[in-house]
Amino acid sequence: DTAVSQTPKYLVTQMGNDKSIKCEQNLGHDTMYWYKQDSKKFLKIMFSYNNKELIINETVPNRFSPKSPDKAHLNLHINSLELGDSAVYFCASSQTARANQETQYFGPGTRLLVL
Amino acid sequence: AQSVTQLGSHVSVSEGALVLLRCNYSSSVPPYLFWYVQYPNQGLQLLLKYTTGATLVKGINGFEAEFKKSETSFHLTKPSAHMSDAAEYFCAVSDSKRATDSWGKLQFGAGTQVVVTP
Repeated sequence: DTAVSQTPKYLVTQMGNDKSIKCEQNLGHDTMYWYKQDSKKFLKIMFSYNNKELIINETVPNRFSPKSPDKAHLNLHINSLELGDSAVYFCASSQTARANQETQYFGPGTRLLVL
Repeated sequence: AQSVTQLGSHVSVSEGALVLLRCNYSSSVPPYLFWYVQYPNQGLQLLLKYTTGATLVKGINGFEAEFKKSETSFHLTKPSAHMSDAAEYFCAVSDSKRATDSWGKLQFGAGTQVVVTP
């Protein structure tokens, strides 16, 4: 009964390919996030959705497109993968984003390696 | 705009010794402050957070942190390190405004890796 789950856990692919990462939370939370963690462990938010509505859209290439079919799911699609996209991608959720003191619950991460 | 600085990217402590991880923040509005821990090959987990009220905050696994507004600091401590404390620790800040474009937005520090030696 994992709270925030991501699939796949590992993803190895060639440059130029398109790939998707899926995230699901069973906590009943309204808000979900995507973070990118680079090789130096630096974490940066990419997107957030509150009840299926895009809230945060940081400076991320258009090749990255999030989709939230319902508030329990937030998927990340990446087109034309580049070497620099290699990173660990974390999904997270919080009860709400309306109050910035909410705890965020993180998934186990998806380790993407672009060759 | 907010930012977080964690002093020391690597900290080595002996088992049983004090753990002290330093975090300084910059924020134009009263901040909310967090410490998260990341064990190897896992996601992040909240250790503790400061929102309002008591400035000394106790968290899980024996950790605590003190919010010092005058020093813009939120250092994390644990009196006695265990081998299981070996992990990456992240300090993070969010602001107390309710502007839509800052909803839930956490600014993370660069992280401090803690190594515990026997």
